[in-house]
Amino acid sequence: AQKITQTQPGMFVQEKEAVTLDCTYDTSDQSYGLFWYKQPSSGEMIFLIYQGSYDEQNATEGRYSLNFQKARKSANLVISASQLGDSAMYFCAMREPTYNDMRFGAGTRLTVKP
Amino acid sequence: NAGVTQTPKFQVLKTGQSMTLQCAQDMNHNSMYWYRQDPGMGLRLIYYSASEGTTDKGEVPNGYNVSRLNKREFSLRLESAAPSQTSVYFCASSEANRAYEQYFGPGTRLTVT
Repeated sequence: AQKITQTQPGMFVQEKEAVTLDCTYDTSDQSYGLFWYKQPSSGEMIFLIYQGSYDEQNATEGRYSLNFQKARKSANLVISASQLGDSAMYFCAMREPTYNDMRFGAGTRLTVKP
Repeated sequence: NAGVTQTPKFQVLKTGQSMTLQCAQDMNHNSMYWYRQDPGMGLRLIYYSASEGTTDKGEVPNGYNVSRLNKREFSLRLESAAPSQTSVYFCASSEANRAYEQYFGPGTRLTVT
């Protein structure tokens, strides 16, 4: 079964606007971690943000915030004030201690338009 | 600091050939990982090493072996390459208690014909 689902293969956003990238997950663990990575066209993977399942507040890192809705099993990434350099693939991922494993979604390609 | 380095950057193999992908990190991380990235499938964990001397299977270990040579180095070996192993391979490392914050190498693009 798919553990991480990113339903948006591609997204477009106007420069300076906010954009939300969707991520839903499936786990029976009570303790788990959710995170987002960015992959520019150059290919490297860049860690953006992390949310623990017991964290009460939504994680924020600069222009990135994670909209964590535990009951709905969603962990959407919100990018505020989009910049041209935000154009990249974005991957949602989850770590479950039970399996000591990490699973990534298929990714969303974000294009920021000037 | 170089971070995580991988060699080679590109490789073409014939079916049945073997090769070893090398990975090294200079951040004194305990944990290291090997992933493969296929189009439309995101990254999938092949093997990981929580600490020096230990290795564990990930989601897609078949056809691969790994060696954690020391704290710095974690190699991935394909004993008999198959076209299904055509992919981009990423090595990553992290602190033991921050597995979500992984630092990735630049990747190796492998083609098996």
